[in-house]
Parts: sequence; C-alpha cells; structure tokens
Amino acid sequence: GENVEQHPSTLSVQEGDSAVIKCTYSDSASNYFPWYKQELGKGPQLIIDIRSNVGEKKDQRIAVTLNKTAKHFSLHITETQPEDSAVYFCAASLMGYGQNFVFGPGTRLSVLP
Amino acid sequence: GAGVSQSPSNKVTEKGKDVELRCDPISGHTALYWYRQSLGQGLEFLIYFQGNSAPDKSGLPSDRFSAERTGGSVSTLTIQRTQQEDSAVYLCASSADPGATDTQYFGPGTRLTVL
Repeated sequence: GENVEQHPSTLSVQEGDSAVIKCTYSDSASNYFPWYKQELGKGPQLIIDIRSNVGEKKDQRIAVTLNKTAKHFSLHITETQPEDSAVYFCAASLMGYGQNFVFGPGTRLSVLP
Repeated sequence: GAGVSQSPSNKVTEKGKDVELRCDPISGHTALYWYRQSLGQGLEFLIYFQGNSAPDKSGLPSDRFSAERTGGSVSTLTIQRTQQEDSAVYLCASSADPGATDTQYFGPGTRLTVL
C-alpha cells in the first residue's frame, strides 16, 4: 500500500522568509496530492492540491510542485506570516478510490515575528 | 453552505463505558471518512463509507470500534468498553464524489478523553 513520508517534522522560520515542506510517496499509481493546514483545536483545512498531470500549481503565497519520477511533492510558502503557524499535512491518493487517502505525519511550522 | 459538523465537540468518559460520536457530512457528499488523531500525531485512517456501505474497514483498531451510516448522510462511530488508549481527537471528513475528486473536507473533530 501507499506510504507517505514528510520532512521536516518541525520548521521555524522568520516572518517574511520562505518555508518548504517535502513529502515522498511510494505508490507510483497515486495521482492526487493535497495539502492540509491544521490550526490548534480545529480540523484540517485544504489549502492547495495538485494532480499528477501538472508539475506545479500556485495560489498567491502558496505553491506546490510535483516530481512524478522521483515520487515527491513539496509545499512552498513565501513571505510567511505569523498566521501561517500551524501543522501542515500532505497526502497522496488514487483518484476514484477514496479509501486510499494516506497522510504524511505532519510538519509543525512556526513563523517567528 | 454548511461544512462538516461533528458532535459532541468534547467527550469525557470513564474506562469501560460506550461512546457514540456523530458526523454530519456536507449535504450531497457521497463519501465519508473517519480518522483518529492522537496528541501531536498524524491522521490515522479508520473507516471509509461510500453511500451507506463501508468498503474499507481496515483501519478500525479493534472489534470494539464500529461505524454506521444511514440515509447516505449522518454517520456514527461507536466505541464500546472504552480504554484509555482510545483518548484522541476523532475527525470526520466527506467528499463529493471519489470518482471525480478526492478533496476531503474535515469537521472540527470530537476530542475524546477516557479517564
């Protein structure tokens, strides 16, 4: 089955700097890769996703890149702000088979003012 | 529109008691998922519903855990004879159509504490 690894487990950056979180997956059949942000006491919220037919997707300060050959994808946050502080989870799945939704262990991002 | 809702938001129970956790998915979403999140940990998949049927129960940790979904909408996760290791946040998510998109929308979770 699918296995998703995520690095780093914790990340501290200065406000205004960029943050990068990387995930690797094992199943080459996976074709959908979402990123979720979880704030304290709340459920995970989708922030961006990418499908395997594209290599990069951007939404304002957030971007995700996908390398299918290497089986890894990364979240990039530019111009970080204190409100970006949260736990970020990546996931991988095979579209059409919802039960194969596997999450990474999470990255705790702290943006220092 | 309304998002995924879960109740109760917090539940404190004594070891050995049964508990029921409820999830109301987004209206029209056919797929529903239950996850468990222990303190500071990632999301552990428990069970997945497509409509009222559960094609994947592989994540349920023991036979003390069961779940049902009625009318293709509300789902209940039941934990019998609770143990202290069951203490966690139980998250529910729903998605519109796994054949078209796997985007899952999460509820706020139920924090279960077993004393």
